[in-house]
Amino acid sequence: AQSVTQLGSHVSVSEGALVLLRCNYSSSVPPYLFWYVQYPNQGLQLLLKYTTGATLVKGINGFEAEFKKSETSFHLTKPSAHMSDAAEYFCAVTPFSGGYNKLIFGAGTRLAVHP
Amino acid sequence: GAVVSQHPSRVICKSGTSVKIECRSLDFQATTMFWYRQFPKQSLMLMATSNEGSKATYEQGVEKDKFLINHASLTLSTLTVTSAHPEDSSFYICSAGTGPPGYEQYFGPGTRLTVT
Repeated sequence: AQSVTQLGSHVSVSEGALVLLRCNYSSSVPPYLFWYVQYPNQGLQLLLKYTTGATLVKGINGFEAEFKKSETSFHLTKPSAHMSDAAEYFCAVTPFSGGYNKLIFGAGTRLAVHP
Repeated sequence: GAVVSQHPSRVICKSGTSVKIECRSLDFQATTMFWYRQFPKQSLMLMATSNEGSKATYEQGVEKDKFLINHASLTLSTLTVTSAHPEDSSFYICSAGTGPPGYEQYFGPGTRLTVT
């Protein structure tokens, strides 16, 4: 069975500081990995994704994530936090095994950015 | 980018009535659409997967007779909550899948259902 673990339900950083949101997964087949952001009372917006190829993936709003197979991790980072980055972040995995793209989500990490 | 809309964005209904939520992919065709439910401050829980022209596949524990899903076209899926009760109050989010090669899902903005 596939699962996603996001370490830290709440993360608080200062504006301008590094953002690091952790995600570990388990999957019996090569996974596709995603990070989504959700602002209050809104749907999810795709930040970035890893399917194949380069393990360092760059996304929107200055975010990036690195797929580390040996650590089964896909941590999300941003060098300098902005106030507008405050939101809920979800890591997700698709256990790609022939075309069924069911997403399995982690519990989410709420990012707070303070002045 | 791919855009998915949901209608309505917010609905309040009385207990015992039925409510229909629409999910549309506006600029791409989606053979597969997904319906999620999100409780306050929690993650998304997949309710069902709908494929155009066939019956939806429901996740374990989801009542298919209560949550009716129809995917009549490549751009429209509907979720009907039948005989709604207060415990059905939640945030319902749909997504539309692009299939290979990226297997991305584009999410709608969500529908806040409140049953009184």
